[in-house]
Amino acid sequence: AQSVTQLDSQVPVFEEAPVELRCNYSSSVSVYLFWYVQYPNQGLQLLLKYLSGSTLVKGINGFEAEFNKSQTSFHLRKPSVHISDTAEYFCAVSERGGNNRKLIWGLGTSLAVNP
Amino acid sequence: EPEVTQTPSHQVTQMGQEVILRCVPISNHLYFYWYRQILGQKVEFLVSFYNNEISEKSEIFDDQFSVERPDGSNFTLKIRSTKLEDSAMYFCASSEGGIPLEQYFGPGTRLTVT
Repeated sequence: AQSVTQLDSQVPVFEEAPVELRCNYSSSVSVYLFWYVQYPNQGLQLLLKYLSGSTLVKGINGFEAEFNKSQTSFHLRKPSVHISDTAEYFCAVSERGGNNRKLIWGLGTSLAVNP
Repeated sequence: EPEVTQTPSHQVTQMGQEVILRCVPISNHLYFYWYRQILGQKVEFLVSFYNNEISEKSEIFDDQFSVERPDGSNFTLKIRSTKLEDSAMYFCASSEGGIPLEQYFGPGTRLTVT
Protein backbone atom coordinates (compact mmCIF):
# COMPACT_ATOMS: atom_id res chain seq x y z
CA ALA A 1 0.00 0.00 0.00
CA GLN A 2 1.06 3.55 -0.60
CA SER A 3 0.69 6.72 1.45
CA VAL A 4 1.54 10.35 0.84
CA THR A 5 2.41 12.98 3.41
CA GLN A 6 2.40 16.68 2.75
CA LEU A 7 4.09 18.17 5.74
CA ASP A 8 2.71 21.69 5.43
CA SER A 9 -1.00 22.32 5.39
CA GLN A 10 -0.57 26.04 4.71
CA VAL A 11 2.31 28.00 3.25
CA PRO A 12 2.11 31.80 3.20
CA VAL A 13 4.66 33.54 1.03
CA PHE A 14 5.24 36.98 -0.44
CA GLU A 15 5.07 37.60 -4.15
CA GLU A 16 8.35 36.99 -6.02
CA ALA A 17 9.73 34.91 -3.14
CA PRO A 18 10.79 31.29 -3.69
CA VAL A 19 8.65 28.49 -2.36
CA GLU A 20 9.02 24.78 -1.63
CA LEU A 21 6.07 22.51 -0.92
CA ARG A 22 7.10 19.25 0.65
CA CYS A 23 5.89 15.78 -0.20
CA ASN A 24 7.02 12.44 1.16
CA TYR A 25 5.65 9.08 0.22
CA SER A 26 5.73 5.53 1.47
CA SER A 27 5.41 2.53 -0.81
CA SER A 28 6.55 -1.08 -0.96
CA VAL A 29 6.64 -0.89 -4.77
CA SER A 30 7.90 1.60 -7.30
CA VAL A 31 5.60 4.49 -7.98
CA TYR A 32 4.89 7.31 -10.37
CA LEU A 33 4.68 10.72 -8.71
CA PHE A 34 2.46 13.66 -9.51
CA TRP A 35 1.69 17.17 -8.38
CA TYR A 36 -1.77 18.57 -9.04
CA VAL A 37 -3.03 22.11 -8.48
CA GLN A 38 -6.55 23.20 -7.69
CA TYR A 39 -7.38 26.86 -8.21
CA PRO A 40 -10.42 28.22 -6.37
CA ASN A 41 -13.65 26.77 -7.71
CA GLN A 42 -11.87 24.72 -10.33
CA GLY A 43 -10.95 21.08 -10.87
CA LEU A 44 -7.61 19.38 -10.30
CA GLN A 45 -4.99 20.16 -12.92
CA LEU A 46 -1.75 18.28 -13.45
CA LEU A 47 1.31 20.42 -12.71
CA LEU A 48 4.01 17.85 -13.38
CA LYS A 49 4.84 14.18 -13.12
CA TYR A 50 7.81 11.91 -12.55
CA LEU A 51 7.78 8.66 -14.47
CA SER A 52 11.44 7.78 -14.97
CA GLY A 53 14.75 9.25 -16.07
CA SER A 54 15.96 12.62 -14.84
CA THR A 55 14.97 13.18 -11.24
CA LEU A 56 14.34 16.88 -11.85
CA VAL A 57 11.08 17.42 -13.67
CA LYS A 58 9.68 20.67 -14.93
CA GLY A 59 6.01 21.44 -15.14
CA ILE A 60 3.67 24.20 -16.07
CA ASN A 61 3.72 27.73 -14.68
CA GLY A 62 7.43 27.60 -13.79
CA PHE A 63 7.14 24.82 -11.21
CA GLU A 64 9.61 22.00 -10.87
CA ALA A 65 10.03 19.03 -8.57
CA GLU A 66 12.84 16.69 -7.69
CA PHE A 67 12.45 13.01 -7.03
CA ASN A 68 14.70 11.75 -4.26
CA LYS A 69 14.45 8.00 -3.97
CA SER A 70 16.61 7.65 -0.86
CA GLN A 71 14.49 10.18 1.01
CA THR A 72 11.25 9.08 -0.67
CA SER A 73 10.47 12.70 -1.40
CA PHE A 74 9.10 14.70 -4.30
CA HIS A 75 9.22 18.33 -3.23
CA LEU A 76 7.73 21.03 -5.44
CA ARG A 77 9.57 24.30 -5.97
CA LYS A 78 9.21 27.60 -7.72
CA PRO A 79 11.93 30.26 -7.64
CA SER A 80 9.57 33.24 -7.77
CA VAL A 81 5.85 33.00 -7.08
CA HIS A 82 3.02 35.17 -8.35
CA ILE A 83 -0.28 36.13 -6.82
CA SER A 84 -1.92 33.84 -9.38
CA ASP A 85 -0.14 30.82 -7.86
CA THR A 86 -2.46 31.01 -4.86
CA ALA A 87 -4.13 27.60 -4.86
CA GLU A 88 -4.26 24.18 -3.24
CA TYR A 89 -1.45 21.84 -4.24
CA PHE A 90 -1.73 18.07 -4.03
CA CYS A 91 0.97 15.45 -4.23
CA ALA A 92 -0.12 12.01 -5.45
CA VAL A 93 1.37 8.64 -6.35
CA SER A 94 0.27 5.67 -8.37
CA GLU A 95 1.71 2.20 -8.44
CA ARG A 96 4.15 1.54 -11.27
CA GLY A 97 3.19 -1.41 -13.42
CA GLY A 98 0.30 -3.75 -12.89
CA ASN A 99 -3.29 -2.76 -13.41
CA ASN A 100 -3.62 -0.38 -10.48
CA ARG A 101 -4.09 3.11 -11.83
CA LYS A 102 -5.65 4.82 -8.85
CA LEU A 103 -4.02 7.88 -7.42
CA ILE A 104 -3.17 7.99 -3.72
CA TRP A 105 -3.24 11.56 -2.46
CA GLY A 106 -1.67 13.75 0.17
CA LEU A 107 -3.79 16.06 2.25
CA GLY A 108 -2.84 19.10 0.20
CA THR A 109 -0.94 22.31 0.87
CA SER A 110 -2.66 25.65 0.63
CA LEU A 111 -0.29 28.18 -0.92
CA ALA A 112 -1.21 31.78 -0.20
CA VAL A 113 0.82 34.36 -2.10
CA ASN A 114 0.61 37.81 -0.61
CA PRO A 115 1.55 41.11 -2.27
CA GLU B 1 -8.98 22.17 -25.23
CA PRO B 2 -11.08 19.13 -24.31
CA GLU B 3 -12.14 18.93 -20.69
CA VAL B 4 -14.04 16.75 -18.28
CA THR B 5 -17.37 18.22 -17.23
CA GLN B 6 -19.53 17.37 -14.24
CA THR B 7 -23.12 18.15 -13.35
CA PRO B 8 -24.52 19.41 -11.14
CA SER B 9 -21.91 21.61 -9.51
CA HIS B 10 -23.78 21.41 -6.20
CA GLN B 11 -26.38 18.88 -5.10
CA VAL B 12 -28.32 19.04 -1.87
CA THR B 13 -30.28 15.97 -0.87
CA GLN B 14 -31.97 14.54 2.17
CA MET B 15 -30.62 11.54 4.00
CA GLY B 16 -31.93 8.32 2.51
CA GLN B 17 -32.47 9.73 -0.96
CA GLU B 18 -30.71 8.52 -4.08
CA VAL B 19 -28.48 10.83 -6.10
CA ILE B 20 -26.86 10.50 -9.49
CA LEU B 21 -23.75 12.47 -10.23
CA ARG B 22 -22.96 12.93 -13.87
CA CYS B 23 -19.70 13.26 -15.73
CA VAL B 24 -18.77 13.65 -19.36
CA PRO B 25 -15.20 12.43 -19.83
CA ILE B 26 -12.91 13.51 -22.64
CA SER B 27 -14.20 11.81 -25.77
CA ASN B 28 -11.27 9.57 -26.75
CA HIS B 29 -10.43 8.50 -23.19
CA LEU B 30 -10.83 4.89 -22.17
CA TYR B 31 -10.41 4.90 -18.37
CA PHE B 32 -12.78 6.64 -16.00
CA TYR B 33 -12.54 7.30 -12.29
CA TRP B 34 -14.45 8.69 -9.35
CA TYR B 35 -12.75 10.22 -6.33
CA ARG B 36 -14.19 12.04 -3.38
CA GLN B 37 -12.91 14.56 -0.88
CA ILE B 38 -14.63 15.00 2.44
CA LEU B 39 -14.03 18.49 3.77
CA GLY B 40 -10.65 18.71 5.46
CA GLN B 41 -9.63 15.20 4.43
CA LYS B 42 -7.62 13.63 1.65
CA VAL B 43 -8.88 12.99 -1.83
CA GLU B 44 -9.90 9.31 -1.83
CA PHE B 45 -10.14 6.91 -4.74
CA LEU B 46 -13.57 5.33 -5.16
CA VAL B 47 -13.60 3.38 -8.39
CA SER B 48 -12.05 2.98 -11.81
CA PHE B 49 -13.91 1.82 -14.91
CA TYR B 50 -12.61 0.42 -18.17
CA ASN B 51 -14.17 -1.47 -21.03
CA ASN B 52 -17.62 -1.16 -19.53
CA GLU B 53 -16.75 -2.71 -16.22
CA ILE B 54 -15.24 -1.81 -12.89
CA SER B 55 -11.50 -2.42 -12.96
CA GLU B 56 -10.79 -1.49 -9.36
CA LYS B 57 -12.75 -0.23 -6.38
CA SER B 58 -11.88 0.89 -2.90
CA GLU B 59 -13.29 -0.26 0.41
CA ILE B 60 -15.46 2.86 0.40
CA PHE B 61 -17.20 1.73 -2.77
CA ASP B 62 -19.70 -0.64 -1.22
CA ASP B 63 -23.15 -1.73 -2.37
CA GLN B 64 -24.44 1.77 -1.79
CA PHE B 65 -22.51 2.95 -4.82
CA SER B 66 -22.71 2.04 -8.48
CA VAL B 67 -21.28 3.39 -11.71
CA GLU B 68 -22.57 3.25 -15.21
CA ARG B 69 -21.71 4.42 -18.68
CA PRO B 70 -25.22 4.55 -20.08
CA ASP B 71 -24.21 5.89 -23.47
CA GLY B 72 -21.07 6.77 -25.33
CA SER B 73 -20.46 10.00 -23.46
CA ASN B 74 -21.75 10.00 -19.89
CA PHE B 75 -20.25 8.32 -16.85
CA THR B 76 -22.43 8.34 -13.75
CA LEU B 77 -22.02 7.66 -10.06
CA LYS B 78 -25.17 6.62 -8.24
CA ILE B 79 -25.37 6.75 -4.47
CA ARG B 80 -28.34 4.92 -3.02
CA SER B 81 -29.82 5.84 0.34
CA THR B 82 -27.42 8.69 1.04
CA LYS B 83 -25.97 9.19 4.50
CA LEU B 84 -24.72 12.32 6.20
CA GLU B 85 -21.16 11.09 5.84
CA ASP B 86 -21.53 10.97 2.05
CA SER B 87 -21.32 14.76 2.04
CA ALA B 88 -18.18 15.52 0.05
CA MET B 89 -16.80 16.87 -3.19
CA TYR B 90 -16.94 14.18 -5.85
CA PHE B 91 -14.44 14.35 -8.70
CA CYS B 92 -14.66 12.52 -11.97
CA ALA B 93 -11.52 11.89 -14.00
CA SER B 94 -10.61 10.23 -17.27
CA SER B 95 -7.42 9.07 -18.90
CA GLU B 96 -6.49 8.02 -22.38
CA GLY B 97 -4.84 4.79 -21.36
CA GLY B 98 -1.35 3.37 -21.46
CA ILE B 99 1.45 5.00 -19.52
CA PRO B 100 1.59 7.53 -17.90
CA LEU B 101 -2.17 7.37 -17.46
CA GLU B 102 -2.44 11.07 -16.85
CA GLN B 103 -5.82 11.66 -15.34
CA TYR B 104 -7.84 14.71 -16.32
CA PHE B 105 -10.25 15.92 -13.67
CA GLY B 106 -13.59 17.62 -13.77
CA PRO B 107 -14.46 20.58 -11.53
CA GLY B 108 -16.30 18.38 -9.05
CA THR B 109 -19.80 18.08 -7.65
CA ARG B 110 -20.31 19.20 -4.08
CA LEU B 111 -22.82 16.83 -2.47
CA THR B 112 -24.49 17.97 0.71
CA VAL B 113 -26.63 15.45 2.56
CA THR B 114 -28.95 16.95 5.18
